[in-house]
Amino acid sequence: GQQLNQNPQSMFIQEGEDVSMNCTSSSIFNTWLWYKQDPGEGPVLLIALYKAGELTSNGRLTAQFGITRKDSFLNISASIPSDVGIYFCAGQGGTSYGKLTFGQGTILTVHP
Amino acid sequence: DGGITQSPKYLFRKEGQNVTLSCEQNLNHDAMYWYRQDPGQGLRLIYYSQIVNDFQKGDIAEGYSVSREKKESFPLTVTSAQKNPTAFYLCASSILGTGTGELFFGEGSRLTVL
Repeated sequence: GQQLNQNPQSMFIQEGEDVSMNCTSSSIFNTWLWYKQDPGEGPVLLIALYKAGELTSNGRLTAQFGITRKDSFLNISASIPSDVGIYFCAGQGGTSYGKLTFGQGTILTVHP
Repeated sequence: DGGITQSPKYLFRKEGQNVTLSCEQNLNHDAMYWYRQDPGQGLRLIYYSQIVNDFQKGDIAEGYSVSREKKESFPLTVTSAQKNPTAFYLCASSILGTGTGELFFGEGSRLTVL
C-alpha cells in the first residue's frame, strides 16, 4: 500500500518556540489533512489542503500542500503547553475515495 | 450533539475470546471506518463501509470482522484469529460525494488481551 513518512517522530521544545513537521509520500495525493490527537482520544482535524501549492492557516497553525503533491508541511508558531499531543498527516489518493493513508505521527512535548 | 460514540472505552479479553467493539454515529454520514493504532505506527485501516450492507477490507483485515446493517452502526469484532489484538481502536465516519476526505473520529476503544 501507499507509504507516508512523517518527520520528526518526536519533538521536545520550550513554550514559545516554533515547530515544523513534514510528510512525504511515494505517490501522489489529491488531499492532505493534518490531525491532532490528545492522549486517549480520537484525532481531530486541524487543517485540510486540496490543491498543490495551497497554503492554509488556522490560528497559529499553517500547512502547505507541496507542489509535487507528494509532500506536506505543518508549522506551529509560538507553541503553548496545550499544543502537546500527537500530530498526524494523512493523504487521500485519486482512487481511494474516502480512505486515508496516515503518517506515523509526530509526538510533540512542550516544556513550560 | 452530533458525533461518533465508541464503546466500551476500555476492554480486557482473555486469549481465545472474541470481542465486539461498538461504533454509532448520528452525523448521517454514509461511510464508516475502523482503524487500529499502535505506538509509532500511525493509524492502519482495518475495514470500511460506504453503504449499508456493504463493506471492504482495509490493509489489516485478517482476524477482524464487521457488519453494516444500519447506516448509524458499524461494529467491529476482534476474533481469536487476530494474533496481536492489544491496541487502540478508532472508528471514524465521513461524507461521501464531497471529495473532502475528512474523517470524524470517535474517542477510541482500548483493547487489552490478558
